[in-house]
Amino acid sequence: QKEVEQNSGPLSVPEGAIASLNCTYSDRGSQSFFWYRQYSGKSPELIMSIYSNGDKEDGRFTAQLNKASQYVSLLIRDSQPSDSATYLCAVNLSSNTGKLIFGQGTTLQVKP
Amino acid sequence: KAGVTQTPRYLIKTRGQQVTLSCSPISGHRSVSWYQQTPGQGLQFLFEYFSETQRNKGNFPGRFSGRQFSNSRSEMNVSTLELGDSALYLCASSLVPTSGGSAQYFGPGTRLLVL
Repeated sequence: QKEVEQNSGPLSVPEGAIASLNCTYSDRGSQSFFWYRQYSGKSPELIMSIYSNGDKEDGRFTAQLNKASQYVSLLIRDSQPSDSATYLCAVNLSSNTGKLIFGQGTTLQVKP
Repeated sequence: KAGVTQTPRYLIKTRGQQVTLSCSPISGHRSVSWYQQTPGQGLQFLFEYFSETQRNKGNFPGRFSGRQFSNSRSEMNVSTLELGDSALYLCASSLVPTSGGSAQYFGPGTRLLVL
C-alpha cells in the first residue's frame, strides 16, 4: 500500500461544476495535510493546508479531513478552465517524521 | 516578499559529470527541502535541512548530497551523473521543519538533462 494515494485521473468536469479530488494515506498518526496545484511545466503551488478534522474553506476551495477514515479531499466550486492542472496531496506522515510525502497527483480537466 | 529562487533553471550535462544546484529560501524561512520530480516516479523526497543540519534523507544513493549555509541558502550536488538523473529538481522552503507542520513553498525548479 502506498503511503499517500490519489486517483491519477484525468478527472473531467464541465465549467461551473464542482470538482472533487480525493486522497488517502496510510499512517493514522499523520497530523499535517496539504494540497498543491501544479500546472504543466511549472512547480507546485500551495493551495491549502489542513490540520484538524472537518472542513476548511478558502474562496472556491474547500479541504475536508477525516482522520478516522484516513482521508483528505479538495473540493473546487465553480470550476474554471484555468483550474485545469495536476493536484497533489501531501501528508506529513508521523512514521516518517519530517518527510512530506506526495501522492502521484490527480489531473483535472475543466471543459468550457 | 520574494519567493524561493533556484539556479540555474536549466542544465545539460553528460554521464559521469557532476552538478551543483542552488536554492535561496523565502526570507525568514530556515528549512529547505529538495525533491526530484520525474513523470514516472512523481515527487520524490531527497533531503531536508534546518539550521545547517540534515534532518532527513530520502531513498537516494550517496551520489546525491546537499548542504545548508548559515544564511539558510542550500545547495545539492549530484556526482557521477546517470541518464536516470534527468529530472526536475525542486527546492522548497518552510519556516520550520515539516515535522512541525509548516507548509512548504516551492521554487521554480532546475530542469536537468543528462545525455
